[in-house]
Amino acid sequence: AQSVAQPEDQVNVAEGNPLTVKCTYSVSGNPYLFWYVQYPNRGLQFLLKYITGDNLVKGSYGFEAEFNKSQTSFHLKKPSALVSDSALYFCAVGNTNAGKSTFGDGTTLTVKP
Amino acid sequence: DVKVTQSSRYLVKRTGEKVFLECVQDMDHENMFWYRQDPGLGLRLIYFSYDVKMKEKGDIPEGYSVSREKKERFSLILESASTNQTSMYLCASSLGQGIIADTQYFGPGTRLTVL
Repeated sequence: AQSVAQPEDQVNVAEGNPLTVKCTYSVSGNPYLFWYVQYPNRGLQFLLKYITGDNLVKGSYGFEAEFNKSQTSFHLKKPSALVSDSALYFCAVGNTNAGKSTFGDGTTLTVKP
Repeated sequence: DVKVTQSSRYLVKRTGEKVFLECVQDMDHENMFWYRQDPGLGLRLIYFSYDVKMKEKGDIPEGYSVSREKKERFSLILESASTNQTSMYLCASSLGQGIIADTQYFGPGTRLTVL
């Protein structure tokens, strides 16, 4: 069975500071990893994904994530946080055999001015 | 851009009613999914479909059924609504073509309240 852990329910950062939202996963075979974001009163939007290749993946709105196979992690990062980045972030994992992606419980990011 | 639409943003039903939630995607995607989202529980997969008339149970299928008669439309049915089915329901689609764990595109959600 595949699973995702987002160990922090809430992350608070000051505007302009770097941010990290953590994600670890468990899956058989090669992982397909995703980050999605949900802004208040909006649907989920795709941010970025890792399928294969470079371990550092760049996505929308200046976000990036680093795939670390040995630590089974896929942490989301941004060098300089904006107040508008405040949202609910979901990590997801799947592979070609799983038939579906499994989502984490979500992490609420709050960026304060 | 992919567009996934859901028939209602807000819905209020009574216990025991039969409830239909409709989802339509306009990008000829093979895969479609229904999730429910509850605070602290993330997204939980109810059912998914890889093709017309095909369906697979997700993690929490009890109390739900689905229908996919046309490629673009995926319906979630609550046969007899109960108060514990009060939730936000999200529909999603993905391209498929052999890559099951593909990027999913989500609709805006339907907030269902069962009284």
